[in-house]
Amino acid sequence: GAVVSQHPSWVICKSGTSVKIECRSLDFQATTMFWYRQFPKQSLMLMATSNEGSKATYEQGVEKDKFLINHASLTLSTLTVTSAHPEDSSFYICSAFLAGGNNEQFFGPGTRLTVL
Amino acid sequence: SQQGEEDPQALSIQEGENATMNCSYKTSINNLQWYRQNSGRGLVHLILIRSNEREKHSGRLRVTLDTSKKSSSLLITASRAADTASYFCATGNTGFQKLVFGTGTRLLVSP
Repeated sequence: GAVVSQHPSWVICKSGTSVKIECRSLDFQATTMFWYRQFPKQSLMLMATSNEGSKATYEQGVEKDKFLINHASLTLSTLTVTSAHPEDSSFYICSAFLAGGNNEQFFGPGTRLTVL
Repeated sequence: SQQGEEDPQALSIQEGENATMNCSYKTSINNLQWYRQNSGRGLVHLILIRSNEREKHSGRLRVTLDTSKKSSSLLITASRAADTASYFCATGNTGFQKLVFGTGTRLLVSP
């Protein structure tokens, strides 16, 4: 099946710093990628839809200026958490949409962010 | 919130027993998918059932869909300890497949 990677797998940072998370589709091109956030023992909540070559579409309640998304190529989307605070600590998961067939999303392994 | 509900929230069974998880959703859908997530890991796609299908099988998995009741069930037969994980349903619309995830069921299978 299609493979999606995320980097880093975990990151610890100080409050006020910015953190960039990469999501790559390794063996297919994805015009659309999605970013989710998952708090402990909770479900995935969609944060934004990342579209290659255009601005991301954010879900209600998600701050655009805080969670910067860039989808500069068909295989890479990045999420930058700016001026991170402890409440931003979470598990961030991306997925890449493979058009055609079942129109499936393939999920990355996730990135654990801890903000001290 | 458009998020679906799953029940039970947690399920504890013995190896060899069957596990049934239920999912209810709120809006019209194109398809419904089930995913598994091991603790602290990404999601693994298990099975997709389209809105015009009523039942689907894959190995030890059986999924049903009742669009009139806006509900789905996932049955895992002859469970194994390795099935211990969280299971999520997710509903998809047409087009770009924006998924809405259910609240999840934490399954514990004891040897």
